[in-house]
Amino acid sequence: DAMVIQNPRYQVTQFGKPVTLSCSQTLNHNVMYWYQQKSSQAPKLLFHYYDKDFNNEADTPDNFQSRRPNTSFCFLDIRSPGLGDAAMYLCATSRGGIAGLVAKNIQYFGAGTRLSVL
Amino acid sequence: DAKTTQPNSMESNEEEPVHLPCNHSTISGTDYIHWYRQLPSQGPEYVIHGLTSNVNNRMASLAIAEDRKSSTLILHRATLRDAAVYYCILRDVAPAGNMLTFGGGTRLMVKP
Repeated sequence: DAMVIQNPRYQVTQFGKPVTLSCSQTLNHNVMYWYQQKSSQAPKLLFHYYDKDFNNEADTPDNFQSRRPNTSFCFLDIRSPGLGDAAMYLCATSRGGIAGLVAKNIQYFGAGTRLSVL
Repeated sequence: DAKTTQPNSMESNEEEPVHLPCNHSTISGTDYIHWYRQLPSQGPEYVIHGLTSNVNNRMASLAIAEDRKSSTLILHRATLRDAAVYYCILRDVAPAGNMLTFGGGTRLMVKP
């Protein structure tokens, strides 16, 4: 059974038209992450939520926003998609914990949403 | 996270063992060594992790050098389903250790 579910698997949007990608989890993990993966590249972390605390990576463009209304759901909003934002977007979850323990925590990934921008 | 170095690609024959190397010469004493793999058109999935001792699970084994400056992921019998990109990642114990910083990874090709 899928534990991290991303919808839709494929999303097409128009240049400049806002788009929202969704992620849900059945693991009750308190940390949720969004990664961007461009073609033939490794995943790159955009931001993560630790419970309700939002943590943005320093080089994540302002065009990318996120919402986490409850433990189970997290959304990625792209306010004005450009052609360069076409990528696979991956959601992941993990348990949080105190320093010294989190380094062992496994991340569980969804299958991703492939975004095309026309 | 400290950096890792992996070969870009490796080839294996089906049902033969595969040894995937990873160098991490700047590893700190508290860094955990994690391996994830990404099958085509899928999200990454956890494979194994360790700190100092060798580790075994149902998917693979992890052999860690005594000085911890390198490690090797061992798939005991490669199958076609093991064709994937394998990522070796170091995670430290600071709060930022929640993150996974992916490097280039090794693309494993399995021949029938």
